[in-house]
Amino acid sequence: QVQLQESGPGLVKPSQTLSLTCTVSGGSISSGSYYWSWIRQPAGKGLEWIGRIYTSGSTNYNPSLKSRVTISVDTSKNQFSLKLSSVTAADTAVYYCANEVTSPEYYFDYWGQGTLVTVSS
Amino acid sequence: DIQMTQSPSSLSASVGDRVTITCRASQSISSFLNWYQHKPGKAPKLLIYAASSLQSGVPSRFSGSGSGTDFSLTISSLQPEDFATYYCQQSYITPYTFGQGTKLEIK
Repeated sequence: QVQLQESGPGLVKPSQTLSLTCTVSGGSISSGSYYWSWIRQPAGKGLEWIGRIYTSGSTNYNPSLKSRVTISVDTSKNQFSLKLSSVTAADTAVYYCANEVTSPEYYFDYWGQGTLVTVSS
Repeated sequence: DIQMTQSPSSLSASVGDRVTITCRASQSISSFLNWYQHKPGKAPKLLIYAASSLQSGVPSRFSGSGSGTDFSLTISSLQPEDFATYYCQQSYITPYTFGQGTKLEIK
């Protein structure tokens, strides 16, 4: 069974770049028709889709974050990563990585447990 | 963006009750609608995909229905482990969007 685990700093200063990595185990990140996604949830709020990457390297981002987001994949390490630049307190959230099954249906099959990132000086 | 509106936002029920949660999309999304269960500190769990398909390993007391703009998730007989927050999500078009969640609590 595929498992995902987020890792990265739990505290980031305002204006800096948030960097998280998702390590995939139990399967190859290169196999199958999957997108690899990042989703976040600010405290007391709903889930927000950040963006996704295919193993080919093609990406899709939420337009609300597009100017600040970069998602990349490292197939040799079976990992994919999120970078969010110029963070503010509004970026404080639990960040989840997930894999998205594609074609013909599209859904998030496996999720990580999430990691809390706080933006504060 | 497609707006997803869930109702109710919270629900109190007892073990054995039948409960239904609804989700409405701001435009037609065909059957590209998924349901997730989320417990604090845990990974969200896929329950239903494509509006009505039960994910492997999910108990049959969970069912989904609907198409177009109106969808529902029904739990036929609540079990103690079902008390959680439930989210709908549209996968019709990016940016994917989620409902605000329905918190199911023990009465």
